[in-house]
Formats: sequence, C-alpha cells, structure tokens
Amino acid sequence: DSGVTQTPKHLITATGQRVTLRCSPRSGDLSVYWYQQSLDQGLQFLIQYYNGEERAKGNILERFSAQQFPDLHSELNLSSLELGDSALYFCASRRTPGANVLTFGAGSRLTVL
Amino acid sequence: LAKTTQPISMDSYEGQEVNITCSHNNIATNDYITWYQQFPSQGPRFIIQGYKTKVTNEVASLFIPADRKSSTLSLPRVSLSDTAVYYCLVGDGGATNKLIFGTGTLLAVQP
Repeated sequence: DSGVTQTPKHLITATGQRVTLRCSPRSGDLSVYWYQQSLDQGLQFLIQYYNGEERAKGNILERFSAQQFPDLHSELNLSSLELGDSALYFCASRRTPGANVLTFGAGSRLTVL
Repeated sequence: LAKTTQPISMDSYEGQEVNITCSHNNIATNDYITWYQQFPSQGPRFIIQGYKTKVTNEVASLFIPADRKSSTLSLPRVSLSDTAVYYCLVGDGGATNKLIFGTGTLLAVQP
C-alpha cells in the first residue's frame, strides 16, 4: 500500500457518459498529479494541484476537469466519454517542493464501451 | 523543461548487471534526476534520485557525470522480477512542476 488511494479501481461505462475518479493523497502530501496511461502507452501528464490550487496543466482535454479540495483529496471528472478515453488513470502525490519523488496510487481503470 | 531520451528496450539475463542511460541535454541547474520502475497495470514506483556524481541505495545506483547531460541507472544482478519499464524524470522539484515522463525503457530479463 503506497498510501495513495484511488477509487474506483475499475469502471465500465458507455460513450457520452460522465465519470468521477477520486484520489486521496498520502498523509502530509500537498501536491496531487493526474496521469493517463492508454494501453501500451506512456504516462501522459494531465494536471497538477498544490494545496488546493491548480499549478500546472498538461495535455488535458477540455472534456476533463479536476479539483483539489480543502482536505487535499482530488477528483478528476471525465465527461462526454469517448472510446479513446479508455485508459488507466493514475494519481500521484508529492510531499514537498525540492523533491521529484512521486508516490503513485494503484490507478483507476476506465473502460468506455 | 528538460526533455529526456532513453532506449526503447533492452534485453538482459538473470544475474547480469544492467545499465540504462538517459539523455537530458538541456537539464537546468536546479533540476534533479529521478528514476521510476513500472510493472504492467501498476503505478510507477520510485527507485532513486540524484543531483550529481553517484548515488546508491539498496536496489540501484545512479551515475551522473559532471556535465549532468546524461545519467545511468545501474541495476546489479537482475532477476526475472526486474522485467519492467524504467523511466527517468528531470525536474526542479518546485511547487509548480510539470513532471513529464518520457517513453521509458522496457527491460526484459530472461532466464
């Protein structure tokens, strides 16, 4: 157990639907990162939050949005889902500035049918 | 942001030492070099981090030359369970930091 909790572990839904993925960072970690990993692909950086504020954006689609709440948990919202959105979505947290040590969760596997 | 370049894949045999090199020609003064390991369908796991010269921990060593434009992850005496994708990551560790992973190196260890 890495200390980063992601729910749900698996999710199957249909095209056009909306889903929410949840992440609880490791205790004490202020930064949360979201990554998407499609089958046999690398990790695509989506977005980063630090202590409730958006700090960096990557290749995140307009159909996707995220936020980090006061208790530091984060949610990634995916809407108008397409087949190509099927992927593993990872959340990672980082303790403090000054280190690039990310702790990843087990991921949420999204299947869009 | 410093871009990283790694070999797509490497093959090895059990018991051998494996060295995976990462190029990061435009690394900045404040950037650290971090390596991760990822097994299929699992999140990446931190292996080792360094800034310059050599760093060693219980699982790997990291060699960084004086110009810091490359780094080499060394895995001693690999086993079948070391078969995984290895990523190097370069960044300054600031509060605002796009930590972008490269394509990684798929290490296949054979008996």
